[in-house]
Amino acid sequence: DIQMTQSPSAMSASVGDRVTITCRASQGISNYLAWFQQKPGKVPKRLIYAASSLQSGVPSRFSGSGSGTEFTLTISSLQPEDFATYYCLQHNTYPYSFGQGTKLEIK
Amino acid sequence: QVQLVESGGGVVQPGGSLRLSCAASGFTFSSYGMHWVRQEPGKGLEWVAFIRYDGSNKYYGDSVKGRFTISRDNSKNTLYLQMNSLRAEDTAVYYCAKNQGGGWPFDYWGQGTLVTVSS
Repeated sequence: DIQMTQSPSAMSASVGDRVTITCRASQGISNYLAWFQQKPGKVPKRLIYAASSLQSGVPSRFSGSGSGTEFTLTISSLQPEDFATYYCLQHNTYPYSFGQGTKLEIK
Repeated sequence: QVQLVESGGGVVQPGGSLRLSCAASGFTFSSYGMHWVRQEPGKGLEWVAFIRYDGSNKYYGDSVKGRFTISRDNSKNTLYLQMNSLRAEDTAVYYCAKNQGGGWPFDYWGQGTLVTVSS
């Protein structure tokens, strides 16, 4: 099975900061990676699919990059509504697997 | 608009069974693969199972394989998850989610249904 390792597990940042979250796969997954945002008590929301394609309706300050085993989610200028938990997902091989999550908190 | 509505959650004793349903509307259900994903209280997301658009292939997470069965009824636009031999660690919110065209997963999610396994 493919293991997904996200880093950091938690971080604090300020409004306006540039933030990068990394996800590493235990083996190559091409570009079969998605990023999700989840706020407390809410349903996860897809931000990025195919490693770098922006979901319709998601602000352009979110971007994804990477291929193979290393991927990044970047938020170019943090907004108050961006404080949430972020998850990566590999869907190259069954069983699909999520990263453990990155909790982004206000500094 | 796309809607996915889960039902069937509740409290069940360890070793018991439960069947979850996910009623779909707003899209051609029979054309899309569907998934179940769960989330233990305060924990991360765990992928549970997938079924192809026509039901011809099914895949499961290691922790539920042999105990859970995913199925669908395209005539009723409904996805199911039959859960047997339930354990305390199966306690979670269960979400159904659909594939996007091209197979990219999880473009839409339901609101989730809570399953609690407790004596």
